[in-house]
Amino acid sequence: NAGVTQTPKFQVLKTGQSMTLQCAQDMNHEYMSWYRQDPGMGLRLIHYSVGAGITDQGEVPNGYNVSRSTTEDFPLRLLSAAPSQTSVYFCASQVHRLADTEAFFGQGTRLTVV
Amino acid sequence: GENVEQHPSTLSVQEGDSAVIKCTYSDSASNYFPWYKQELGKRPQLIIDIRSNVGEKKDQRIAVTLNKTAKHFSLHITETQPEDSAVYFCAASLKAAGNKLTFGGGTRVLVKP
Repeated sequence: NAGVTQTPKFQVLKTGQSMTLQCAQDMNHEYMSWYRQDPGMGLRLIHYSVGAGITDQGEVPNGYNVSRSTTEDFPLRLLSAAPSQTSVYFCASQVHRLADTEAFFGQGTRLTVV
Repeated sequence: GENVEQHPSTLSVQEGDSAVIKCTYSDSASNYFPWYKQELGKRPQLIIDIRSNVGEKKDQRIAVTLNKTAKHFSLHITETQPEDSAVYFCAASLKAAGNKLTFGGGTRVLVKP
């Protein structure tokens, strides 16, 4: 049981490039989310999904797209990378239909935009 | 939307002493308050949580208290050990908002031997 798996672990992009961060979970969780972690700002929600085919914006969605074609996968796309998107990105999954459930995080992707 | 403030941002304690981290939240309808621990270079992991119908919860050396009237909750670590050194995040969520978690800014705890 792998839990939540993110790839890649590290990435350097040039300004204007696009890329996709991959996230997969094998726990059959309905709810998946993407956060970015910046020093002193905690974890801020970018986008989330309550099930296949359903996505919604979080607190800081600009510059990012998501899709949820299957229960297992929730990729995050950076459309045109900017230095302000330099951050550590975490994907997480939770059981949705039950209240008060633990968020299981992936190992994170450290992204640097130069 | 919900806003969670966390204090202090850094905390240095001597091994064996207690550590207390405090969080306040803005939405009185929030009903679930987890705490996550993130060791250096690792992913955040749940260490304890509390629901709005409970005032206090304890698990060995860690405890969480909740004051719904004042809209604040706290993490207490007793008899701190070097392995307690980490960043701790509080969070709040609301079932009616689809269990979206709103995190505080984090507290870096350093336990000095």
